Amino acid sequence: NAGVTQTPKFRVLKTGQSMTLLCAQDMNHEYMYWYRQDPGMGLRLIHYSVGEGTTAKGEVPDGYNVSRLKKQNFLLGLESAAPSQTSVYFCASSPTLWTGPRDTEAFFGQGTRLTVV
Amino acid sequence: DAKTTQPNSMESNEEEPVHLPCNHSTISGTDYIHWYRQLPSQGPEYVIHGLTSNVNNRMASLAIAEDRKSSTLILHRATLRDAAVYYCILRDRRGSTLGRLYFGRGTQLTVWP
Repeated sequence: NAGVTQTPKFRVLKTGQSMTLLCAQDMNHEYMYWYRQDPGMGLRLIHYSVGEGTTAKGEVPDGYNVSRLKKQNFLLGLESAAPSQTSVYFCASSPTLWTGPRDTEAFFGQGTRLTVV
Repeated sequence: DAKTTQPNSMESNEEEPVHLPCNHSTISGTDYIHWYRQLPSQGPEYVIHGLTSNVNNRMASLAIAEDRKSSTLILHRATLRDAAVYYCILRDRRGSTLGRLYFGRGTQLTVWP
């Protein structure tokens, strides 16, 4: 049971380059999330998705795009990387919330450390 | 969206109980209170959650105030492996913000041997 897998684990980009971070989950979860975490900060939500084909903006969406073409995958794209996007990126997934009186937990990947020089 | 307030840091000695507070004065009636923790160099992991009643599981206990405006995560006997950042989160289940999961800066727990 792999859970949530992020690819790649490390990457160095030059300013202006583009790249895509891949998040894959094998738990058939509806909800998926992308966060960034900077030193001394908590996690800030970039974008999220409540189902296949749908995406929504979080707290810090500027400079990022996302796609959820398949339920199990959530892609985070940087079209023109900037040094301010140097961060650790975490992906998470969770089941549908409204399944009754109980709420559900989110599962996180191990993170992608991105450096933009 | 309802927000949470936590102390930046707390310290404890090993094998002592730890009470991690969280204030959420603008919580709505349908918000669940979740706690996650993040060990060094790892992604966050779920600890516990609750709505109105106190909750217990193998990792911790969650005490929720009667007016739900605050809660406390209780680690009954802290170990060195409990040193982590602890996040108190309100899970928003309404309308256009359904599914959004916000973290703050959390509380950095240091456990001394």
